Amino acid sequence: EVQLLESGGGLVQPGGSLRLSCAASGFTFSNYAMSWVRQAPGKGLEWVSGISASGGRTYYADSVKGRFTVSRDSSKNTLYLQMNSLRAEDTAVYYCAKRGDYGDDAGSYWGQGTLVTVSS
Amino acid sequence: SYELTQPPSVSVSPGQTARITCSGDALPKQYAYWYQQKPGQAPVVVIYKDSERPSGIPERFSGSSSGTTVTLTISGVQAEDEADYYCQSAESGGTYVFGTGTKVTVL
Repeated sequence: EVQLLESGGGLVQPGGSLRLSCAASGFTFSNYAMSWVRQAPGKGLEWVSGISASGGRTYYADSVKGRFTVSRDSSKNTLYLQMNSLRAEDTAVYYCAKRGDYGDDAGSYWGQGTLVTVSS
Repeated sequence: SYELTQPPSVSVSPGQTARITCSGDALPKQYAYWYQQKPGQAPVVVIYKDSERPSGIPERFSGSSSGTTVTLTISGVQAEDEADYYCQSAESGGTYVFGTGTKVTVL
């Protein structure tokens, strides 16, 4: 059974940093591209970042480019999102998602998310 | 980046048909995907590649495409189908975009 467990969320001040982790199990992690998608309170889904299966290619939404960095450690079956220079508008539930079971889906299977709150 | 536009809400009586549209200039060139999200839960794919249905998704969910608009149809709506629905497609360069979302209310 595919399992994705996000952690690392919490309250951070504007301008601060946070690193999210996503522990994957139930599938061959190194074979799949992964995504981060966020959802602000009461709002819609926003794709944030993606990484190829090998980790060699990374992609970002314009809203986070230059501030967020996605990475993965296949030896630990873990996906990361390093978030720097955080802003109030980054407040959201952050989901990690396993990509590609259906082609160009942003996420064929999702974790339950971790809440990031940026506030002073 | 470009936008995918959905109606904010659709209301339907049980047993009737709900249709949710998603419009975007790139849709003739890119497949569309549909996600269902119930309150407090993660999204689930209900339609992929415009009209394909994942295993385990009821047959009442179907998808179609015409030009710059794709449509998710829920035939014989049930109370459990009340949820938010999002379309999604790929942009060039490995990025993705979600639609604005549609809240389906079962009356």
